[in-house]
Amino acid sequence: KAGVTQTPRYLIKTRGQQVTLSCSPISGHRSVSWYQQTPGQGLQFLFEYFSETQRNKGNFPGRFSGRQFSNSRSEMNVSTLELGDSALYLCASSPGGQGTDTQYFGPGTRLTVL
Amino acid sequence: GENVEQHPSTLSVQEGDSAVIKCTYSDSASNYFPWYKQELGKRPQLIIDIRSNVGEKKDQRIAVTLNKTAKHFSLHITETQPEDSAVYFCAATLNRDDKIIFGKGTRLHILP
Repeated sequence: KAGVTQTPRYLIKTRGQQVTLSCSPISGHRSVSWYQQTPGQGLQFLFEYFSETQRNKGNFPGRFSGRQFSNSRSEMNVSTLELGDSALYLCASSPGGQGTDTQYFGPGTRLTVL
Repeated sequence: GENVEQHPSTLSVQEGDSAVIKCTYSDSASNYFPWYKQELGKRPQLIIDIRSNVGEKKDQRIAVTLNKTAKHFSLHITETQPEDSAVYFCAATLNRDDKIIFGKGTRLHILP
């Protein structure tokens, strides 16, 4: 099976712009989670989608949003970008969306905000 | 709220020695504790996990121990090798909402 894929891999934006990141899970996986990774802060949970519904949400402002399509592909949107949004954004998929499922991570999208 | 503390943030050990990384969690409802390894420039990958009904689990040179009473769990790597150099993340999952909370990571350096 193909692994988790994310597009684009690299992105440069300026403050105030918005950005959309895409994540394609492993075939058959129904849960997609998004994380922000920055040096010193580790993996911070953004949100999780399961069967097109947001099931869990982390402590990020409303500028961060997401959605999941019927084929389980997921998108994450960040509006009104700030310098502090520069980070590696990782998505992870799991089969049934249970907390005990292994998370399979994508390669990430590195976002730089200038 | 839910929280996972991980220590140390950086760890340097001589090749062949053992490394220990410790994590504590706040919610006693946590029931699943995975460990992920992230090599430089690569994605995190699961290396070992433990469930709340087990106290210890081993897989070759790595082992994880869980103390539910104290709400802490640890990763032990024995006979460390250069390829063990990476960032290690612990995590805890809450039973009630399947939410996974990660620690901030430990950067492990294996010295020659």
